[in-house]
Amino acid sequence: DTAVSQTPKYLVTQMGNDKSIKCEQNLGHDTMYWYKQDSKKFLKIMFSYNNKELIINETVPNRFSPKSPDKAHLNLHINSLELGDSAVYFCASSQDWSDSAGEQYFGPGTRLTVT
Amino acid sequence: GNSVTQMEGPVTLSEEAFLTINCTYTATGYPSLFWYVQYPGEGLQLLLKATKADDKGSNKGFEATYRKETTSFHLEKGSVQVSDSAVYFCALDSNSGYALNFGKGTSLLVTP
Repeated sequence: DTAVSQTPKYLVTQMGNDKSIKCEQNLGHDTMYWYKQDSKKFLKIMFSYNNKELIINETVPNRFSPKSPDKAHLNLHINSLELGDSAVYFCASSQDWSDSAGEQYFGPGTRLTVT
Repeated sequence: GNSVTQMEGPVTLSEEAFLTINCTYTATGYPSLFWYVQYPGEGLQLLLKATKADDKGSNKGFEATYRKETTSFHLEKGSVQVSDSAVYFCALDSNSGYALNFGKGTSLLVTP
């Protein structure tokens, strides 16, 4: 069974469109994350949710809106896509964040290409 | 804020060579330290971790020791294999403790 899954794996779209990426974890974890990895492999936290509540929003444009319908899901919706949004987006989860972000389990990534 | 600096890649080694990837950190308090590995086309996976000074994390022949006096967490392996070719990320707890801050990654290529 896949621990952290993301759909779609590849997403090609035009500037100005709105798109969503879905993430699900079956590990029973309380905390979920979205990271953005740029073309140089630099990985940066975007959002962190704990028990469906937003914990971190790291200066991400408000065109990005995460939604957590339940503890097992954290979806990412992006409005008015721009060329600079092209990247690989990773979802991750961890048991809790009380003392340390601890071991995070990553999904396979979604490669978003905006043309 | 808490941050890590790791050596630039790419690093190219022959099979069975010794590997060192340097990582130094800047932090307030005593964050946990991690090494994650990303194989081609995959997500990151935890390779090893250390939660306090002088702890040594180890896994799959890789080791790293949490050195508070030098603020370092260098990754080492005595004999690399072709299958170790990947990108390696050093990471630590963010100041908030609610996420990880990653280094820029070091690409390793091991040739037969």
